[in-house]
Amino acid sequence: AQSVTQLGSHVSVSEGALVLLRCNYSSSVPPYLFWYVQYPNQGLQLLLKYTTGATLVKGINGFEAEFKKSETSFHLTKPSAHMSDAAEYFCAVSDLKTGGFKTIFGAGTRLFVKA
Amino acid sequence: DTAVSQTPKYLVTQMGNDKSIKCEQNLGHDTMYWYKQDSKKFLKIMFSYNNKELIINETVPNRFSPKSPDKAHLNLHINSLELGDSAVYFCASSQAFRRGNEQFFGPGTRLTVL
Repeated sequence: AQSVTQLGSHVSVSEGALVLLRCNYSSSVPPYLFWYVQYPNQGLQLLLKYTTGATLVKGINGFEAEFKKSETSFHLTKPSAHMSDAAEYFCAVSDLKTGGFKTIFGAGTRLFVKA
Repeated sequence: DTAVSQTPKYLVTQMGNDKSIKCEQNLGHDTMYWYKQDSKKFLKIMFSYNNKELIINETVPNRFSPKSPDKAHLNLHINSLELGDSAVYFCASSQAFRRGNEQFFGPGTRLTVL
């Protein structure tokens, strides 16, 4: 069965500092991996995704993530945090075996950005 | 032009009442979902429909009944509302069997049961 673990329910960084949000997954078949962002009182929107090919994936708003199969990880990074990055971030996994019908979401990491 | 829309955005009701939430997507997707997000932001899938057929039905009380009249619509009816049903409910859609079938989420319906 698939699962997702996000390390740290809360992460706090200073504006301009590196953002690192950690995600580990478990999947018996090649996974599709996603990062979604949820701003207050809004739905989730896709930041980036990994399907196949290049393991370093770039997304919107300067975020990127690297798929590391050996570590079963898909950590999200951004070189320099902005105040506008403050939000809830969800890592998620699905696979094509089931048509991708079922996406498993992590518990979320709340990112705080200090001025 | 909203891709996934939900109505209403807020719903406040008394325990024991019956209520419905509606969802529509204009993305041409064949799969739609209902998620429940609790106060700790945990996102749990409830139901999924593919081409109007129920394909995921998680351990949800049978007071919750989804209905998909067509591929673009997925409604959620809740009978005999309980305090524990208070949450934000999200509708989402995707295209099945597409590589990396990311989901597109609606803005959510905040349900408060008093």
